[in-house]
Amino acid sequence: IQLTQSPSLLSASVGDRVTLSCKGSQNINNYLAWYQQKLGEAPKLLIYKTNSLQTGIPSRFSGSGSGTDYTLTISSLHSEDLATYYCYQYNNGLTFGSGTKLEIK
Amino acid sequence: QVQLKESGPGLVQPSQTLSLTCTVSGFSLTSYHVHWVRQPPGKGLEWMGVMWSDGDTSYNSALKSRLSISRDTSKSQVFLKMSSLQTEDTATYYCARVLSGDDYVMDAWGQGASVTVSS
Repeated sequence: IQLTQSPSLLSASVGDRVTLSCKGSQNINNYLAWYQQKLGEAPKLLIYKTNSLQTGIPSRFSGSGSGTDYTLTISSLHSEDLATYYCYQYNNGLTFGSGTKLEIK
Repeated sequence: QVQLKESGPGLVQPSQTLSLTCTVSGFSLTSYHVHWVRQPPGKGLEWMGVMWSDGDTSYNSALKSRLSISRDTSKSQVFLKMSSLQTEDTATYYCARVLSGDDYVMDAWGQGASVTVSS
């Protein structure tokens, strides 16, 4: 399954509601996770199984979706959310999306 | 606490074999699966393979002919070997543990090992 993330680059202001998209080439059956990767760091798990929030992750992060279309939402952007975000499907094989780089205006 | 740490040579010559070690602490390799993921500079993430908790392995089909993953449970180490390296194998290589009770979602990652393939 191939994953297409959009947009590839997103610029937003602190306090904005931000939505990142991930679309699969086939049905993912909700086996989708989201990772945050800050510059020079390893990826960090945010969300798994579409909408399960990983322990310790702030509640401003949420996930939704079904079928082939999934979304990561940050309800109120913080400056420390500057990062690249990857979706990851584990329904059929294991693949990552190409990432959305989130910039802070 | 749970920790993973990759180690290995920073520089490998083209056509040679890469050997990396992932040393873990805070959990048992017989209870958790450990995956390998790599990331070329400035690019995205690629799943490479997994050491299952039962000692079995699975590989990315694109890398399978060159890749071998093994372990030493007594030393809490997982090993990655990849042969016939080319410049496009230049990347940061991560080992990562899965979520408790899960097979595929990685929740704890090492800091990564940077590998450059160059003569």
